[in-house]
Amino acid sequence: QQQVKQSPQSLIVQKGGISIINCAYENTAFDYFPWYQQFPGKGPALLIAIRPDVSEKKEGRFTISFNKSAKQFSLHIMDSQPGDSATYFCAARKSSNTGKLIFGQGTTLQVKP
Amino acid sequence: DTEVTQTPKHLVMGMTNKKSLKCEQHMGHRAMYWYKQKAKKPPELMFVYSYEKLSINESVPSRFSPECPNSSLLNLHLHALQPEDSALYLCASSQDLGTGSSEAFFGQGTRLTVV
Repeated sequence: QQQVKQSPQSLIVQKGGISIINCAYENTAFDYFPWYQQFPGKGPALLIAIRPDVSEKKEGRFTISFNKSAKQFSLHIMDSQPGDSATYFCAARKSSNTGKLIFGQGTTLQVKP
Repeated sequence: DTEVTQTPKHLVMGMTNKKSLKCEQHMGHRAMYWYKQKAKKPPELMFVYSYEKLSINESVPSRFSPECPNSSLLNLHLHALQPEDSALYLCASSQDLGTGSSEAFFGQGTRLTVV
C-alpha cells in the first residue's frame, strides 16, 4: 500500500515529441504528488506537483494529469528536447507529521536530436 | 532562493575513518531530511528532523549519526562504514513535515565512496 509504481523504466523519444511517464498508487491517504527531474551526479530537482483536488496542472512544457478514481497520475513533456534527457521520479506523500516521500522507481528519458 | 547546499561534493573514506557530511539551507524550512541513493534507484529516506528534533529514523545502522545543530544546518556523521555504504547522500528540506503542499527541495548530494 505504500508503493508507487512507475512506468516505463526507460523511454526514448524524438526531439519535438511527447514524453509520457505514468505512476500508480494504492494508498488513498496520499494527497500530494510531486515529480522530480534528476541529471547524472546531481540531486533531484522539483519539477511540478499536484494535489488530488485538481485533475491537471501545467507549467510550461510539463503537465501532470491526475485520475483520482483510477489512482493514477502521469507526466507529459511536450515538445521534448535533448536537454530533457534525465531520470524522472514520481513521488507521493500523505499529509501527516512524517514528511516522508514515497518514490517511484524512476524513468530514464532519452530525447534523440 | 530554493537552495540546499551540501558539502563536500565528493568524499572518499576508509572503513576506519570518521567523517561528516554537511547540509545548509536558508529558506526558513523547519524540516530537514537525509536520503541515500544508489545508482539507478530512487532516493531512500534515512532520517527526518522537525524543528531540530529527530522525528524519523528509518532503522538506519548506528554507523550513521545525524545531528541538527540549528534550524539551518544538518550534519551526518559517518564512522566505520562499509563499502556497500558507498552512494549519493542527499539532503532535503521543506517548510514543515507535509501539511498542505510543503515542497521538498534537494541538495546536489555528496558522492561517498568507502574503500
